[in-house]
Amino acid sequence: GESVGLHLPTLSVQEGDNSIINCAYSNSASDYFIWYKQESGKGPQFIIDIRSNMDKRQGQRVTVLLNKTVKHLSLQIAATQPGDSAVYFCAENNNAGNMLTFGGGTRLMVKP
Amino acid sequence: DGGITQSPKYLFRKEGQNVTLSCEQNLNHDAMYWYRQDPGQGLRLIYYSQIVNDFQKGDIAEGYSVSREKKESFPLTVTSAQKNPTAFYLCASKTGASPGELFFGEGSRLTVL
Repeated sequence: GESVGLHLPTLSVQEGDNSIINCAYSNSASDYFIWYKQESGKGPQFIIDIRSNMDKRQGQRVTVLLNKTVKHLSLQIAATQPGDSAVYFCAENNNAGNMLTFGGGTRLMVKP
Repeated sequence: DGGITQSPKYLFRKEGQNVTLSCEQNLNHDAMYWYRQDPGQGLRLIYYSQIVNDFQKGDIAEGYSVSREKKESFPLTVTSAQKNPTAFYLCASKTGASPGELFFGEGSRLTVL
């Protein structure tokens, strides 16, 4: 659905701490999920993806967890760095239309 | 390098004018998409095209038009019928295989004066 309001949820973490960004998705038939990072004034960049037949996938400093029972997705960033400050979006693949539906986003702020 | 190029990066328009945003990709992707992003919000789908000479309306197509005459190009026209066109516009592409990652351009910021 469409995001409402102009204020993104914000997560503020200390440099070096781990960050966990959460996302609830809407379609129980979605078969693929992606996390994107968007820096101010730029296009979203791919971080990591996961298919629905998995519940965990790890990348470099990032881990995505998928809980299909409660339709929940999370992105974990280890040893958060100032360069990780951005808005993070989750997206689910619309099984019927080969399209991604995006969540409203979470702003991550890293304090030095 | 392969990628998606959007132009212009910044565009100002007077009310009542149509403007066209360019999107070119050299990734040999079949599918292309246009999204609109308003401040502090997520991405909303305007139009998409799965193949040359074919395109479909997204969630917020009113006031916009597109064409897909070439595989590499998917221009978006913001018409005077769009009541609130000031926004950040993002073009993306992906291979035809589903599902898969969307590759995004750097965006075009349109401001209506």
